Amino acid sequence: GEDVEQSLFLSVREGDSSVINCTYTDSSSTYLYWYKQEPGAGLQLLTYIFSNMDMKQDQRLTVLLNKKDKHLSLRIADTQTGDSAIYFCAEGQGGKLIFGQGTELSVKP
Amino acid sequence: DTAVSQTPKYLVTQMGNDKSIKCEQNLGHDTMYWYKQDSKKFLKIMFSYNNKELIINETVPNRFSPKSPDKAHLNLHINSLELGDSAVYFCASSQGTGDQPQHFGDGTRLSIL
Repeated sequence: GEDVEQSLFLSVREGDSSVINCTYTDSSSTYLYWYKQEPGAGLQLLTYIFSNMDMKQDQRLTVLLNKKDKHLSLRIADTQTGDSAIYFCAEGQGGKLIFGQGTELSVKP
Repeated sequence: DTAVSQTPKYLVTQMGNDKSIKCEQNLGHDTMYWYKQDSKKFLKIMFSYNNKELIINETVPNRFSPKSPDKAHLNLHINSLELGDSAVYFCASSQGTGDQPQHFGDGTRLSIL
């Protein structure tokens, strides 16, 4: 199947860590992606991880990949109000991206 | 600035009309895409082109006709617009046809009255 699943909402307090989870189905994907969409804006490629890696860190962002369980997570350290957005997980399949439903992250001051 | 740029940003039109959305990328990529985002924010691929050749057509109604005059441009023409076509349409580009990071434009919000 082509399902990529994410929870729809996450609410955190400013300064806390946020963890957004995703499960995917295609074990042959070369890369797995996280995109960010701010209200009324386009899709920003936030980060991505090569499928033979377990972890990738980029400043406040940490991506964890569990290939056995087909589970991907995005951790945002020290979450700020500017991080409020919808975060999409995506897997690559035959040259196209299959997206999850998006997780709306709300950061409260 | 290097980017994927789409025009127009907003498009409001009547049912039954024909309209076009343009996309250009100056990233030097050779593959371009159109995705549709519905009112529930769900994103789905419509088409992809590599070096002006159609490589993915994801069972989109033939009222939608993509055209790629060169590898830096991919336009989308829609005939006989229907209410269900209301959505945000995103253009994207990548290098190569395999699983490569795709860079998106800011989207075109199409509203059908």
